[in-house]
Amino acid sequence: GQQVMQIPQYQHVQEGEDFTTYCNSSTTLSNIQWYKQRPGGHPVFLIQLVKSGEVKKQKRLTFQFGEAKKNSSLHITATQTTDVGTYFCAGRTGANNLFFGTGTRLTVIP
Amino acid sequence: EAQVTQNPRYLITVTGKKLTVTCSQNMNHEYMSWYRQDPGLGLRQIYYSMNVEVTDKGDVPEGYKVSRKEKRNFPLILESPSPNQTSLYFCASSLLPPSTSGRAKNIQYFGAGTRLSVL
Repeated sequence: GQQVMQIPQYQHVQEGEDFTTYCNSSTTLSNIQWYKQRPGGHPVFLIQLVKSGEVKKQKRLTFQFGEAKKNSSLHITATQTTDVGTYFCAGRTGANNLFFGTGTRLTVIP
Repeated sequence: EAQVTQNPRYLITVTGKKLTVTCSQNMNHEYMSWYRQDPGLGLRQIYYSMNVEVTDKGDVPEGYKVSRKEKRNFPLILESPSPNQTSLYFCASSLLPPSTSGRAKNIQYFGAGTRLSVL
């Protein structure tokens, strides 16, 4: 069945360091969304990528969709303590259900 | 305020005692879904609904039931809860289904979550 894996599962960084999480699908995705979940909170939408090779930026966050539309990445430049949380990717194949990745929990050490 | 409301936020119950977790959204969204979140497994979809009276199974539907009698409500029913259903549950809604290509219309809005413990 459909699987969306994320690596790493956990990441501890010093404040100011960069951070990247990778999302890999076993099948081609129609689009991919990224969500952030703060500790004790609920997932909140960040961005959606639709086109092959698409790159989008939100301030210090850079999102990329692979050429084959099977992988995606989220890169944070110069992390801050406010970046703490779990980042999820979510992809759709052809049906109307969304497959979430396993998530990457980011800890930022001040 | 636009929101997805889940109740209760916390629930401790015993094996076999039927329970219902309610979910309501005030954004006139067509698409609603339930997820469970477990460590190392991310968010897994239990059931989803495209509109009133239209529901379908997600990845992990066993042991759960849902109904969509009104557009705003999408309750999750555990007829006979078991300890392996101990989890954090999220309800989510979007204006249109994930298959919609229009921007912003398929963004999922999540409720605050329900932490369920089945003893």
